[in-house]
Amino acid sequence: QQQVKQSPQSLIVQKGGISIINCAYENTAFDYFPWYQQFPGKGPALLIAIRPDVSEKKEGRFTISFNKSAKQFSLHIMDSQPGDSATYFCAAGGGGTGGFKTIFGAGTRLFVKA
Amino acid sequence: DGGITQSPKYLFRKEGQNVTLSCEQNLNHDAMYWYRQDPGQGLRLIYYSQIVNDFQKGDIAEGYSVSREKKESFPLTVTSAQKNPTAFYLCASSLEAGHGEQYFGPGTRLTVT
Repeated sequence: QQQVKQSPQSLIVQKGGISIINCAYENTAFDYFPWYQQFPGKGPALLIAIRPDVSEKKEGRFTISFNKSAKQFSLHIMDSQPGDSATYFCAAGGGGTGGFKTIFGAGTRLFVKA
Repeated sequence: DGGITQSPKYLFRKEGQNVTLSCEQNLNHDAMYWYRQDPGQGLRLIYYSQIVNDFQKGDIAEGYSVSREKKESFPLTVTSAQKNPTAFYLCASSLEAGHGEQYFGPGTRLTVT
């Protein structure tokens, strides 16, 4: 019940295309769903996050879609650029982890071809 | 500049030696975390601390130890009991445990031979 399942493991997208990464969770007590971006040799950095009271959040080219009934959420990167090539982690936190932990997905390696 | 610092960036040790990884934050955050990252396995929680002088085991605490004597510092010791210590170690902090953004340090790559 503490797992966050992320897919795909890796993704190759043409420049200008849409990158889509999906995540699923089981514990309905989670109340915070962030996405982190990590470049090689660096620590992850928060990209965008959503709370379960909204179904979509957009920041620039990045959008989170949240489906509470299906317990799924996804990251869409519009107009993907080579600079977006990185590893992306979804996560779930807040209630349901004892309140003190964030559970991370296994990560998706995105490569955007120029 | 506010943030999290980890040192050193690269660390090499012989098998059987204990080694301590440094993590310092000046964000005035209460919560701090240590993660281990291996290729294709995402981030696995080693230890976390909600407040000073308190810490809890994460999912893979065996062979590791921590201390939290100061709010800004959360060092991690990788002991000789850790069977496979070679990995990328990430420290993070958040305003409060379990909620909101976690800020990550740049990581320490530990190689044990």
